Amino acid sequence: KAGVTQTPRYLIKTRGQQVTLSCSPISGHRSVSWYQQTPGQGLQFLFEYFSETQRNKGNFPGRFSGRQFSNSRSEMNVSTLELGDSALYLCASSFTGGVSTDTQYFGPGTRLTVL
Amino acid sequence: AQRVTQPEKLLSVFKGAPVELKCNYSYSGSPELFWYVQYSRQRLQLLLRHISRESIKGFTADLNKGETSFHLKKPFAQEEDSAMYYCALSVTMNSGYSTLTFGKGTMLLVSP
Repeated sequence: KAGVTQTPRYLIKTRGQQVTLSCSPISGHRSVSWYQQTPGQGLQFLFEYFSETQRNKGNFPGRFSGRQFSNSRSEMNVSTLELGDSALYLCASSFTGGVSTDTQYFGPGTRLTVL
Repeated sequence: AQRVTQPEKLLSVFKGAPVELKCNYSYSGSPELFWYVQYSRQRLQLLLRHISRESIKGFTADLNKGETSFHLKKPFAQEEDSAMYYCALSVTMNSGYSTLTFGKGTMLLVSP
């Protein structure tokens, strides 16, 4: 089975721009979670989608948004980029999500640099 | 609020030495904890979960609710154990569904 894929792998943007990141889950997985990873804060939960619905949301400003399509692929969008948004953005998929017994499988991440 | 604390950013040991990676948590609900590992140039992956009570690659972890800890242990470290280790707590959100809260990670370096 192919693993979780994320595109693009690297992005460089300037302050004020917006960016869209994409995540394709493992086939059959319907839950997709997004995390932001930075050296200072570590891994922080952004949001989780299941069956095209946002089921959980972390403590991030409204500039961070996402969506999920009927094929379970997910995108996240960050508008009005700030320098502090520079991070590795990780996507994880699981069969149903939302329960601790459901293992999350992580993608390689998208490295976003905001200049 | 829930929190996962890994007090050591870096743990350096020699091959064959015992290893203990510390993890403490704060959570008002029933805790379910995990250890994730990220080897160099690889993806973050699940190492073990406390409910399975299993040993993976020689690592074990016991949930101690009294001390709110979930330390990861291995009696004899190997060079291939060098990696970043994250402790994670499953947290039930207002939605009724769970997400993971991660600690900031501990880098384990095993020297020959």
